[in-house]
Amino acid sequence: DAGVIQSPRHEVTEMGQEVTLRCKPISGHDYLFWYRQTMMRGLELLIYFNNNVPIDDSGMPEDRFSAKMPNASFSTLKIQPSEPRDSAVYFCASTYRGSNQPQHFGDGTRLSIL
Amino acid sequence: GENVEQHPSTLSVQEGDSAVIKCTYSDSASNYFPWYKQELGKGPQLIIDIRSNVGEKKDQRIAVTLNKTAKHFSLHITETQPEDSAVYFCAAQGNTPLVFGKGTRLSVIA
Repeated sequence: DAGVIQSPRHEVTEMGQEVTLRCKPISGHDYLFWYRQTMMRGLELLIYFNNNVPIDDSGMPEDRFSAKMPNASFSTLKIQPSEPRDSAVYFCASTYRGSNQPQHFGDGTRLSIL
Repeated sequence: GENVEQHPSTLSVQEGDSAVIKCTYSDSASNYFPWYKQELGKGPQLIIDIRSNVGEKKDQRIAVTLNKTAKHFSLHITETQPEDSAVYFCAAQGNTPLVFGKGTRLSVIA
């Protein structure tokens, strides 16, 4: 049974470059979440989708961040332009029916902006 | 909105001893409380969850207790083993998406 799949696992790039993180949720799940994890701030919810529609993006830190979900099996998180303070581990998670159901996490993308 | 506090931030125990991690939450509407284990280089993995209609749930060496009146819940790991070493997160959910605690780094010393 395939879990949540994220790519790439690691990304190193220079500041100012565009970064695109990808996520494939578990088949049949209708909610998808993007999180950012840092030592200082822990796990922060950036945005979540229900049936491919963005529901709450209040956690997106700046206009440099954008997320899309063109279909039920694919989502992207884009940072343009990237800055060193964006360095973190980014996780995608999915669940079925959303409320009071366990979220299943991918193994994350470790992003380093030089 | 919901706020989840988790203690301690680090915990070291001898192999075979018990470990207890405690969390408090602020929103009385929260009714779902999962616990996640995160190993190095991996995403958080659900290990146990509890809903507000029960006060305790057990799965082998892991148990979770919930006190809705006091708004706190705890994770208990008995007979700890080296493979229990990881970061553990509590979370709470009600009318808003899951809110996570800051995590507890558990080290089990052989």
